[in-house]
Amino acid sequence: EAGVVQSPRYKIIEKKQPVAFWCNPISGHNTLYWYRQNLGQGPELLIRYENEEAVDDSQLPKDRFSAERLKGVDSTLKIQPAELGDSAVYLCASTRQGNTEAFFGQGTRLTVV
Amino acid sequence: KQEVTQIPAALSVPEGENLVLNCSFTDSAIYNLQWFRQDPGKGLTSLLLIQSSQREQTSGRLNASLDKSSGRSTLYIAASQPGDSATYLCAPWNAGNMLTFGGGTRLMVKP
Repeated sequence: EAGVVQSPRYKIIEKKQPVAFWCNPISGHNTLYWYRQNLGQGPELLIRYENEEAVDDSQLPKDRFSAERLKGVDSTLKIQPAELGDSAVYLCASTRQGNTEAFFGQGTRLTVV
Repeated sequence: KQEVTQIPAALSVPEGENLVLNCSFTDSAIYNLQWFRQDPGKGLTSLLLIQSSQREQTSGRLNASLDKSSGRSTLYIAASQPGDSATYLCAPWNAGNMLTFGGGTRLMVKP
């Protein structure tokens, strides 16, 4: 069974440019998470989906960040415009309903210059 | 809001030592607790999941304990090896499928 798949693995962009990250969760996992991890720190939650519904987006900077999970499977996280402080690793995770063991993708390392 | 602290932040030991990594959390109303490993530049790999009704969980040389009432979990690594070098992250699960991470312990095992 394939794990959580994220793309791209690395992205370098200039500030003020847009960027998008994609995540494909494990098949059958209805809960999907986006986390941001700054260097030397633990991951912090940005948004959580239950199927296609965003049930916790309180930590998502909504002025520049947006996310969607159409059809309750794949998800896209977008930043527009990017700022220097957005440089981090963006991690996607998924869990099966009722099973709180989370599985993570390899992450996307974003560098804003 | 759940807050998670991991001590020590970094640890360097010679190969063969037995290690103890500590995790404390402020909200004891957790469902489960998960320990992860993260290699440099990689995602998180799940090591152990301890159910709230359990006191400990074992996988190979790893043993994790959970004292829910005191808000503490410990990851014990027996006979450490250079391949164990990584960052170890503790994450309790709260209601609403909330997974909160500590800052991690960066472990270096020297040959």
